[in-house]
Amino acid sequence: DTGVSQDPRHKITKRGQNVTFRCDPISEHNRLYWYRQTLGQGPEFLTYFQNEAQLEKSRLLSDRFSAERPKGSFSTLEIQRTEQGDSAMYLCASSAQGEEDTQYFGPGTRLTVL
Amino acid sequence: QKEVEQNSGPLSVPEGAIASLNCTYSDRGSQSFFWYRQYSGKSPELIMSIYSNGDKEDGRFTAQLNKASQYVSLLIRDSQPSDSATYLCAVIMDSSYKLIFGSGTRLLVRP
Repeated sequence: DTGVSQDPRHKITKRGQNVTFRCDPISEHNRLYWYRQTLGQGPEFLTYFQNEAQLEKSRLLSDRFSAERPKGSFSTLEIQRTEQGDSAMYLCASSAQGEEDTQYFGPGTRLTVL
Repeated sequence: QKEVEQNSGPLSVPEGAIASLNCTYSDRGSQSFFWYRQYSGKSPELIMSIYSNGDKEDGRFTAQLNKASQYVSLLIRDSQPSDSATYLCAVIMDSSYKLIFGSGTRLLVRP
């Protein structure tokens, strides 16, 4: 069983550009989560999906962020008009309903906004 | 007050010693508790989960939960230099499924 995969692993962009990240969860995991982590801090929750439904979104998430999971499999996270403060590691995790909420993380996408 | 609190460290222990990592949380209704290990530049890796009061052992790792004190800890026996990493405590609170993380404790195991 392969783990969670994320693409790209690294992204460098200029301020004001749009970026999109992809996450492929562990197969048959119906819950998918996005987190953001900055240096010296623990991951911070952004949003989560159960199947294709986005069930929760952090109040800290600005309108420039949007996430989708159109077929209940992979998910994308888009950041529009990037700002330097968006520089962080973006982590995706997945879990299976009924497995005590255990979340497994992908390798992350490191975003640098110049 | 942060929802999940950890001492940032570093906690330095000699090789072969027991490392004790502690975490407190604010939501008394929390039901699920996790310890993740994170090496520098890498993503979090699940070490242990615990849901009931008491101890749970897995190899060299023991998680301890005390819901009355809102306290969860991780013991690492026979610490190895390869255990040097940041250990993240995470809690699922109320009816949400999202993890709330502490800032992590950096552990350094000296050879």
